Amino acid sequence: GENVEQHPSTLSVQEGDSAVIKCTYSDSASNYFPWYKQELGKGPQLIIDIRSNVGEKKDQRIAVTLNKTAKHFSLHITETQPEDSAVYFCAATPGSNFNKFYFGSGTKLNVKP
Amino acid sequence: EAQVTQNPRYLITVTGKKLTVTCSQNMNHEYMSWYRQDPGLGLRQIYYSMNVEVTDKGDVPEGYKVSRKEKRNFPLILESPSPNQTSLYFCASTGVGLRQYFGPGTRLTVT
Repeated sequence: GENVEQHPSTLSVQEGDSAVIKCTYSDSASNYFPWYKQELGKGPQLIIDIRSNVGEKKDQRIAVTLNKTAKHFSLHITETQPEDSAVYFCAATPGSNFNKFYFGSGTKLNVKP
Repeated sequence: EAQVTQNPRYLITVTGKKLTVTCSQNMNHEYMSWYRQDPGLGLRQIYYSMNVEVTDKGDVPEGYKVSRKEKRNFPLILESPSPNQTSLYFCASTGVGLRQYFGPGTRLTVT
């Protein structure tokens, strides 16, 4: 099945700086790559997603890039704010079964005021 | 308000005592899933359902059962819980474009 690896496991940045979280995947046929934000005591919440026919997608301070050749995708958060502090997960759906989701191990982002 | 609800939110039980965690969604989604979340492992899919009476195994189905008799409900059943099933469980409902909506989670402890 699909294997998704996520780095770093923890990330600490100063408020206003940018943060980048990277994920790699193994199934070259995967075509849907969502990112989730999980705040303490809550369920993951979808913040942005990208499909394999697109190289980049932006939504205000958040952007995701996809490199299909290298099989990696990244989450970029600009002008970080303390409320961005959370655990972030990437995921991928394998080309053989779009009903399955494989998640990365998570990145704990700490934005220091 | 569109939402996924889970009950109970917290549960402490003993080895071998059957339990059910309920999940309900009000978005009329056909596709629902169960995940478990463990430190350092992210979320792992236990079971998913594509529609009423249609379910399939995810990555870690051993020790779990599910049923889908109604579109809105997707309960997770542990017929004989063991300590290695101590975890944080999430139900998710998938809408248009594979976009998932997660419930608030159920923290299960099996002693």
